[in-house]
Amino acid sequence: QQQVKQSPQSLIVQKGGISIINCAYENTAFDYFPWYQQFPGKGPALLIAIRPDVSEKKEGRFTISFNKSAKQFSLHIMDSQPGDSATYFCAASMAGGTSYGKLTFGQGTILTVHP
Amino acid sequence: DVKVTQSSRYLVKRTGEKVFLECVQDMDHENMFWYRQDPGLGLRLIYFSYDVKMKEKGDIPEGYSVSREKKERFSLILESASTNQTSMYLCASSSPTGTGGWGYTFGSGTRLTVV
Repeated sequence: QQQVKQSPQSLIVQKGGISIINCAYENTAFDYFPWYQQFPGKGPALLIAIRPDVSEKKEGRFTISFNKSAKQFSLHIMDSQPGDSATYFCAASMAGGTSYGKLTFGQGTILTVHP
Repeated sequence: DVKVTQSSRYLVKRTGEKVFLECVQDMDHENMFWYRQDPGLGLRLIYFSYDVKMKEKGDIPEGYSVSREKKERFSLILESASTNQTSMYLCASSSPTGTGGWGYTFGSGTRLTVV
């Protein structure tokens, strides 16, 4: 059972364009939504994260948009650069209790930014 | 620089062999995780540990076991390797982010091929 569904599986964008990756979740107990970035040969690294008490969070060229009622969140990469080419994973977890911060990941999106 | 180190980048094992994947973190984190990464499936949680000698099953524990005898070391064991366990294995440890969630630090992964 995939509790976090991510799309698209792959994405090609021209330099300077906007990259958009979408995720949908099922478990309403999730209350922490990070995005991870993975370069070839490396493990994923935390990129940006959001809690459901805000609808948007921006860090530089990266923005998370969050729609609690639709149980969806998305990553927007503005002014995409070739160096942004990587695999992106959305994830979700429950912050407290006995969850120990276990992350449930989406399927991943391979982003290619052409120069 | 904080680190999660996985002992092998590449491993080739034969069907039926017992396989040990080792992971060491130097951040004094309580929580450690083992995920496997497969194209189109994202990262799936195999096992995690929230304290020394404590462990819990993740979403796909069948065919795997784990050991955590010391806080910094978390081992994944394939009791009898099978070809469907050919995958990329990622170890992670986690700490609170200060924004209500947990940030993961991943190792670079072990690509295991079972022949």
